[in-house]
Amino acid sequence: DQQVKQNSPSLSVQEGRISILNCDYTNSMFDYFLWYKKYPAEGPTFLISISSIKDKNEDGRFTVFLNKSAKHLSLHIVPSQPGDSAVYFCAASAEVGANNLFFGTGTRLTVIP
Amino acid sequence: ETGVTQTPRHLVMGMTNKKSLKCEQHLGHNAMYWYKQSAKKPLELMFVYNFKEQTENNSVPSRFSPECPNSSHLFLHLHTLQPEDSALYLCATGQSSSYNSPLHFGNGTRLTVT
Repeated sequence: DQQVKQNSPSLSVQEGRISILNCDYTNSMFDYFLWYKKYPAEGPTFLISISSIKDKNEDGRFTVFLNKSAKHLSLHIVPSQPGDSAVYFCAASAEVGANNLFFGTGTRLTVIP
Repeated sequence: ETGVTQTPRHLVMGMTNKKSLKCEQHLGHNAMYWYKQSAKKPLELMFVYNFKEQTENNSVPSRFSPECPNSSHLFLHLHTLQPEDSALYLCATGQSSSYNSPLHFGNGTRLTVT
């Protein structure tokens, strides 16, 4: 059973608008959450993370929101740019180190110029 | 030089072949991982090495055999694979002693088993 779920396999957004990617998790022990971005023919690259002691973390155009009671997190990209077109993976961890890093299935974001 | 390098980028092999995937890191990390990415599935953790010692085998069939000869290199030896083993195999590194340390991935090896 998947502990991290990304229910939207794809998302299309106009350039300049906000992109919102969603992620849900089932394990209440998860306390560290990450977003990775993956271009075709490349490995995933780390984008942004958030610890469960926070409900928001911002880095430039990227903001991650965490709602622990709903077991939900989201990644906001604003303004969206064509170069943001990629697959975005949500991941979660419950223990020290990354041995137990659980990934979602990914959401393909397409930013339309 | 990129932090995590995987070779080959693409591999086609028959079910009776023996091949190896290679991963090399230049980040000084103490943990190395093999992940499998199949279509429409989440990344699946296969093996973990901490300080060159295997600490996790995620119920992976014995036709996959990892090897970590030193802290910079990780191999995945393949033999008598099945067509359903066709996938993208990703190597990753991290600092296991550092909580909240993100993984760094290589570009993967796209494996096709015929």
